[in-house]
Amino acid sequence: QKEVEQNSGPLSVPEGAIASLNCTYSDRVSQSFFWYRQYSGKSPELIMSIYSNGDKEDGRFTAQLNKASQYVSLLIRDSQPSDSATYLCASTLGGYQKVTFGTGTKLQVIP
Amino acid sequence: EAGVAQSPRYKIIEKRQSVAFWCNPISGHATLYWYQQILGQGPKLLIQFQNNGVVDDSQLPKDRFSAERLKGVDSTLKIQPAKLEDSAVYLCASSLRGRGGYEQYFGPGTRLTVT
Repeated sequence: QKEVEQNSGPLSVPEGAIASLNCTYSDRVSQSFFWYRQYSGKSPELIMSIYSNGDKEDGRFTAQLNKASQYVSLLIRDSQPSDSATYLCASTLGGYQKVTFGTGTKLQVIP
Repeated sequence: EAGVAQSPRYKIIEKRQSVAFWCNPISGHATLYWYQQILGQGPKLLIQFQNNGVVDDSQLPKDRFSAERLKGVDSTLKIQPAKLEDSAVYLCASSLRGRGGYEQYFGPGTRLTVT
């Protein structure tokens, strides 16, 4: 069983819509969760981190964590064509924060 | 603040040859990671250093891959001998432990092609 699972997509949304990206994880003791954005041919860049249940907002981005359901999501409001990229979900666990990445969801924002 | 530096950016070698990659993390970041990313997949952790020490190398193919971190700063990753399936982007990342976790910052990566 994969430790972090994401739908590979592509997820297509029209410009201005809300994009909803989802991630599930298998290890209940996972402690920290991260969303990274990766443009084609580039390295991942950190968008959001979330450590406790609930919502965390940063500009157009909202991360949601539900530890009981082992589910983390990323909402992108007012999606722009520049948001088109692959979004990677990652979780960490253990004292030294072993990191596991999902395979990523490709997002396409249609003008 | 300077980001994570990696070199070379691109490398083409023949199978059975050896290759080395270099990484300089963000100043002050104690944790350094090497990842392998194959096209269409998420990054796969190869090795994680905390200062000079290795804290996780469970997915490092130790018969051909080796890594070291000098004086808790720079790091090198070596492959010897290379196989065709080693063709991938090798990413280095570093982190300074934040509240509850490790936010990672990635270098530009090294694209390796093994022919």
